[in-house]
Amino acid sequence: QKEVEQNSGPLSVPEGAIASLNCTYSDRGSQSFFWYRQYSGKSPELIMSIYSNGDKEDGRFTAQLNKASQYVSLLIRDSQPSDSATYLCAVSQRGGGADGLTFGKGTHLIIQP
Amino acid sequence: EADIYQTPRYLVIGTGKKITLECSQTMGHDKMYWYQQDPGMELHLIHYSYGVNSTEKGDLSSESTVSRIRTEHFPLTLESARPSHTSQYLCASSDGTSNQPQHFGDGTRLSIL
Repeated sequence: QKEVEQNSGPLSVPEGAIASLNCTYSDRGSQSFFWYRQYSGKSPELIMSIYSNGDKEDGRFTAQLNKASQYVSLLIRDSQPSDSATYLCAVSQRGGGADGLTFGKGTHLIIQP
Repeated sequence: EADIYQTPRYLVIGTGKKITLECSQTMGHDKMYWYQQDPGMELHLIHYSYGVNSTEKGDLSSESTVSRIRTEHFPLTLESARPSHTSQYLCASSDGTSNQPQHFGDGTRLSIL
């Protein structure tokens, strides 16, 4: 069974620090990786996509992918209280398809002022 | 920016009623999805569609049904609502090519009395 694992948290980080969120996946053939942010009571919002090994930066967000270790992470620099949310890791499996995106259970991030 | 719309946003209704949750997208996406999510819990895929006249059941068994008569429209129906159907229902869509992210609507919060 294809699995995406995340630490559920809560992960508490002081304002201004770097928040590091981690995700591992089981299917070595996975091809695309996404991070979603979900505020309480709201729908998930896509914040990062990464498709190849290495780092991808977008503003305060950096996604890191290591396919050999089956590991993807999200770094949030200069964390703000508005970053407090649940972060979902999603992995697109080999071959894609309508059911090809598997979501982790999410990590609850709390930024402490 | 994703243009996917769900109505109603909130619905409180009595047991035994027939309910249809609407989902429409203006991006011409072939793939559409319905998820069920309880507060603080993970996303569960309940239905998806590859395109017009295609519907498939997801990972979580659901008493709801879906239809896909037009590309842009993917309604979900509950023939006889029960309190156990109380949840948030999220609609999403993605481009027909492989390994693309899903974009979510704002969701419908359903309460069955």
